[in-house]
Amino acid sequence: SAVISQKPSRDICQRGTSLTIQCQVDSQVTMMFWYRQQPGQSLTLIATANQGSEATYESGFVIDKFPISRPNLTFSTLTVSNMSPEDSSIYLCSGDFTNTEAFFGQGTRLTVV
Amino acid sequence: AQKVTQAQTEISVVEKEDVTLDCVYETRDTTYYLFWYKQPPSGELVFLIRRNSFDEQNEISGRYSWNFQKSTSSFNFTITASQVVDSAVYFCALSSYNQGGKLIFGQGTELSVKP
Repeated sequence: SAVISQKPSRDICQRGTSLTIQCQVDSQVTMMFWYRQQPGQSLTLIATANQGSEATYESGFVIDKFPISRPNLTFSTLTVSNMSPEDSSIYLCSGDFTNTEAFFGQGTRLTVV
Repeated sequence: AQKVTQAQTEISVVEKEDVTLDCVYETRDTTYYLFWYKQPPSGELVFLIRRNSFDEQNEISGRYSWNFQKSTSSFNFTITASQVVDSAVYFCALSSYNQGGKLIFGQGTELSVKP
């Protein structure tokens, strides 16, 4: 199975600033996915990232707030822009699953103060 | 629309008890995947199992077993002889066959195993 390295693992940020989260996969994947998990909640898909095209955002998420880059088939970034305390969450990335599992990065625990 | 329901928000058991976590799903797709994940307090998602909709065989892996029943749209997860290390939040998830890793998650069940 593939391995995703996600960083940072955690961060504490000031409101109004931006944070970029990186995901590196050890093999090529067609699609990568970004999820948000607010405190005590389930995971919600933010967007799907394909190489060479703009990310596709789910309802309730917009590119200005969560810009995504996908420069190649093994890497993607998610930026959380102009942060507020409501953005405090765990952010996780995942990739197309292989024959047996849908793999996730270790998650980024973001606290906005 | 696709939906996953985990009706049990929290479950508390004493070590060595068996415990079943329920998962009911809704989908119009004829082909789909079902998943279970474990999320310990550290926050990472640990993959437990993926099941294809056309394979209704039950699965056992050590103390873990899964019961997939298409007739009732359920994919339940049983832990036998629970241990303190099983304490975590468990998520059931669903994806369409042609949607890659785009998962719809249930609300999760927080399992607490007490010594």
